[in-house]
Formats: sequence, C-alpha cells, structure tokens
Amino acid sequence: GDSVTQMEGPVTLSEEACLTINCTYTATGYPSLFWYVQYPGEGLQLLLKATKADDKGSNKGFEATYRKETTSFHLEKGSVQVSDSAVYFCALSSGTASKLTFGTGTRLQVTL
Amino acid sequence: NAGVTQTPKFQVLKTGQSMTLQCAQDMNHEYMSWYRQDPGMGLRLIHYSVGAGITDQGEVPNGYNVSRSTTEDFPLRLLSAAPSQTSVYFCASRTKREHSYEQYFGPGTRLTVT
Repeated sequence: GDSVTQMEGPVTLSEEACLTINCTYTATGYPSLFWYVQYPGEGLQLLLKATKADDKGSNKGFEATYRKETTSFHLEKGSVQVSDSAVYFCALSSGTASKLTFGTGTRLQVTL
Repeated sequence: NAGVTQTPKFQVLKTGQSMTLQCAQDMNHEYMSWYRQDPGMGLRLIHYSVGAGITDQGEVPNGYNVSRSTTEDFPLRLLSAAPSQTSVYFCASRTKREHSYEQYFGPGTRLTVT
C-alpha cells in the first residue's frame, strides 16, 4: 500500500538558517504530493502541492520538487523565521480522491 | 463562511461510554473524512464519504461508525470507548472538482478515554 516516510524531529534551527525536511514515498501509479503545516493548537493547513513529476510547489518561501526517480518530495526554505515553528506533514493522494496518506510529521522549532 | 467546524474541542470519557463527534462544513464539499492523530504516527484515516448517503472505511475503522445524511454533516460515533481511542480527531473536507486537491481541516477534538 501507499506510505510516506519523513525525517524524525524535532528540528531546531536559528532564525535565518536553511531548512530541509526529507520526505520519500511509496505509491502505486502517479500520486499527488503535499506538504501540510500544523501550528500549535490548530488543524492542518495545506502549505504546497505538486501533482506530477518535476512539478515544484511553493508557498510562503517554502519549496518542494516532485522527484519521481528518487520518489522524494523534500521541503526546503532558505531562511526560516520564528513564525515557521510548527509540525510539518508530508502526504500523498493516489487512487480514491478523498484519501490522504500522511507521514509521521516533523516538528520544527526556530529560535532567535 | 466558517469552513470546517468540529465540536466539542475537548472531551473526557470513561471506558465503555459512547459519544458522537460532530463535524460540519459550509463549503458544499462532496468529500469528507475523519482522521485520528497520535504521537509518532501522523494522521490515519478512519472513515470517509464521497457524498451524502455514501461512506467507506479507511485505515483504522474499528470501534467507529459514521453516516452522511446531508452534504454538510459527517458525525463520527464511538460505540464503546476504549483507552486506545484516546487521540486528537480531525475532520476534513474537499471538493470533488477535478484538479482541486486541497483538503480543509477542522480545528480538532481532543478525546481522552480513562
């Protein structure tokens, strides 16, 4: 079945540092890939998405590229801010449109 | 436009009690889903619905029932609560429009079963 593996956290960075959170997946067919973000005490929000190979999703300075050859969708940001502190989830959707398969989440803590 | 709303925000149950977690959306979305979030396990799909009157099981359906009598509402019923059902529960919805992929999540219900 489908699965998503993402790096364990927590990740602690100083403000303005570079961020990479690794995500790899296993799926049949051609899944769509997503990064969701969960701020403390809130539900999940879609951060960015990519629906086919070589697509780059971007939003709020975050980027991720759909790499079919390495089955990866790593999240990157060049300069993190304290306000980026949250839990980040990599997810995929294949087959039935309403079903998302999530990774375990990576907590990011950004300090001054 | 409230989006996806969930009630209650917090609930404590004793083992064996039953309850219903409420979920409603005002976006006229066809698809609705229930997930549970546990530490170190991400979110796992419990049940989902592709339209009024249609429901199906997800990854972890045991101990839960759902129904979808209207487009707006998708309640989740715990039949006989167990400590293993202590979790945070999220409801989500999305449109079935082609190329529209975003799922909208509610704020969650934190459930503790003692």
